[in-house]
Amino acid sequence: EPEVTQTPSHQVTQMGQEVILRCVPISNHLYFYWYRQILGQKVEFLVSFYNNEISEKSEIFDDQFSVERPDGSNFTLKIRSTKLEDSAMYFCASRLPGQVNYGYTFGSGTRLTVV
Amino acid sequence: DAKTTQPNSMESNEEEPVHLPCNHSTISGTDYIHWYRQLPSQGPEYVIHGLTSNVNNRMASLAIAEDRKSSTLILHRATLRDAAVYYCILRPAREYGNKLVFGAGTILRVKS
Repeated sequence: EPEVTQTPSHQVTQMGQEVILRCVPISNHLYFYWYRQILGQKVEFLVSFYNNEISEKSEIFDDQFSVERPDGSNFTLKIRSTKLEDSAMYFCASRLPGQVNYGYTFGSGTRLTVV
Repeated sequence: DAKTTQPNSMESNEEEPVHLPCNHSTISGTDYIHWYRQLPSQGPEYVIHGLTSNVNNRMASLAIAEDRKSSTLILHRATLRDAAVYYCILRPAREYGNKLVFGAGTILRVKS
């Protein structure tokens, strides 16, 4: 079964450093998402991306965050200057286009620890 | 976005059916009912979705009330591997603005 692949599985970074989280969505999917989950809390939406632009973003997704699809396969989330409160699991998701409401496929996540 | 209400937790015995309820009294006519689950230390996983009719797939069944104000996810024979957090989510049937909004979900514990 096709999978969404995320790398790395765990990243430790120092406060103030930039990190890039990588995702390879399913090849024929056209909608891409980033979510995060702080330990013990709900899964929170960050941003959705379609046709090479952001289609929706949450209040969490401020100027320190950016997303990019640099080639035909990767989808990245960059955090410019990490803070302690950015420590969380980050999940990438993708889905097929269409209003028929296909299910979303999530990756296994990247655990980001900011020290 | 319309809101869903689920019990905080439920417990089941292995090999027995599990009925996970969800209330969504403010559902609109074009909202699809989605269920996802999250196994420990993993990302959410799609389980099933429906609009008005009951739905079955290899993982589960979804029973939708006639007035659509509630639904029930049915696991026919729970296994230890089904222990997870189950999320009931309403998703508008439109192409854009269709992020999934996760609540706290129901923690399902399965006893052997």
